[in-house]
Amino acid sequence: GESVGLHLPTLSVQEGDNSIINCAYSNSASDYFIWYKQESGKGPQFIIDIRSNMDKRQGQRVTVLLNKTVKHLSLQIAATQPGDSAVYFCAENGNYGQNFVFGPGTRLSVLP
Amino acid sequence: SAVISQKPSRDICQRGTSLTIQCQVDSQVTMMFWYRQQPGQSLTLIATANQGSEATYESGFVIDKFPISRPNLTFSTLTVSNMSPEDSSIYLCSVGPTGAGETQYFGPGTRLLVL
Repeated sequence: GESVGLHLPTLSVQEGDNSIINCAYSNSASDYFIWYKQESGKGPQFIIDIRSNMDKRQGQRVTVLLNKTVKHLSLQIAATQPGDSAVYFCAENGNYGQNFVFGPGTRLSVLP
Repeated sequence: SAVISQKPSRDICQRGTSLTIQCQVDSQVTMMFWYRQQPGQSLTLIATANQGSEATYESGFVIDKFPISRPNLTFSTLTVSNMSPEDSSIYLCSVGPTGAGETQYFGPGTRLLVL
C-alpha cells in the first residue's frame, strides 16, 4: 500500500505486479515533464519524459500518463522487478524552462 | 546524453571548515545546476551556473555560503563554506537542457557529513 508520513511516501508492491506512482505538479505553465529514478547512493537517472501535447507515452515496461486538467502525472511500471526498487521523482520545467522543479518523490519497494 | 562526474564522492568534515565539490562534464554545456538533497528529501536547487556570468542563487541560498565557479563549459565547483551539521546532504551537479532533448542529467552526487 501507499503511505505518507514525515519521510518519503512509500509504495510496496509484489514482484511481478504492476506499479503506479503518482505525482501532482504545481505549475500550469509547465509543458515538459520527466520521471527520474534514484537508486541508493546514486544520482537521479532519466526514465521517461512527456510533453504537454501528449497524454500518454510508453517506454520499455514504463508508461507515463499526463492529465493537464488536474495537473497530475503518473508512472506505471509493468511487471515490477527487484531492480525497480528506488525513489522515483517527477519533475516539471515550469521555471521558464531553465531547470526542472522536482516533486517530493516516492520510494518504491518491491517485495519478493 | 551527458556523462557527469563529481569529486569527492563522499566526505566527512568538521564543523567550521569548507569543502569544494568539483563537477566535470564530458561535453560542453551552457547551463549547469547545483542541487542539494537532504536525507529522505527531494532535490532543491541551490543555484544556476552559466559560464562567463555570476551564478544565480535560489531563495534561501547565498553566495557567501555556497560560492560557485564556472571557469569553462565543462567544469564547475561548489564550495560549502563554514559548514555546520545542517549542511549534511547530498550535493548534485546537473546539466541541461542539452540539445533538442531538453533533459537534465545528473552527476552521482557528493555525500557530505558534517560532524
